[in-house]
Amino acid sequence: DQQVKQNSPSLSVQEGRISILNCDYTNSMFDYFLWYKKYPAEGPTFLISISSIKDKNEDGRFTVFLNKSAKHLSLHIVPSQPGDSAVYFCAAIIQGAQKLVFGQGTRLTINP
Amino acid sequence: DAGITQSPRHKVTETGTPVTLRCHQTENHRYMYWYRQDPGHGLRLIHYSYGVKDTDKGEVSDGYSVSRSKTEDFLLTLESATSSQTSVYFCAISEQAINYGYTFGSGTRLTVV
Repeated sequence: DQQVKQNSPSLSVQEGRISILNCDYTNSMFDYFLWYKKYPAEGPTFLISISSIKDKNEDGRFTVFLNKSAKHLSLHIVPSQPGDSAVYFCAAIIQGAQKLVFGQGTRLTINP
Repeated sequence: DAGITQSPRHKVTETGTPVTLRCHQTENHRYMYWYRQDPGHGLRLIHYSYGVKDTDKGEVSDGYSVSRSKTEDFLLTLESATSSQTSVYFCAISEQAINYGYTFGSGTRLTVV
């Protein structure tokens, strides 16, 4: 029972263009969402988050959008850079539950 | 930033042997977690701890046990390793458990042959 789903295992984008990574969730109780970035042989690192009371959060080149009615969130990276090539994990939590639930991950490749 | 370290980084072991992975933190964070990462499954929670001697199961806890006798150390034990436990294991720490995210260790690659 995958409560958080990233249906695209991989995505390839040209440098300078927009990268859009998608995530769907099934549990309507989730009220906080996070994106993590992972390079090979390293642990995931926190990238950006959004509370369910918002529909958008920006941090530099990274923007996360939340559509609660569709139970869908997306991460936009503009412009995409070669250093953005990594695996991106979407995660969700019910505040107070102390446990993040992760998606399967999407491998983003930025081509020069 | 060595706030969280995992040991060993790599290990090869035989089926049926016990294995213990260690997670050590210097941040004095309350919460500690063990996840495993597998292709097609992402990161799945094995066990977590919310204080010394306080632990609970995650979604894939069968075949694993944990112990936390000190704030800084969280041990994951595979009681009798099986090939299905070949994976990359990540420890994570958190103080508030969510809003600022977890800090992950660099991982332990475990191969059971």
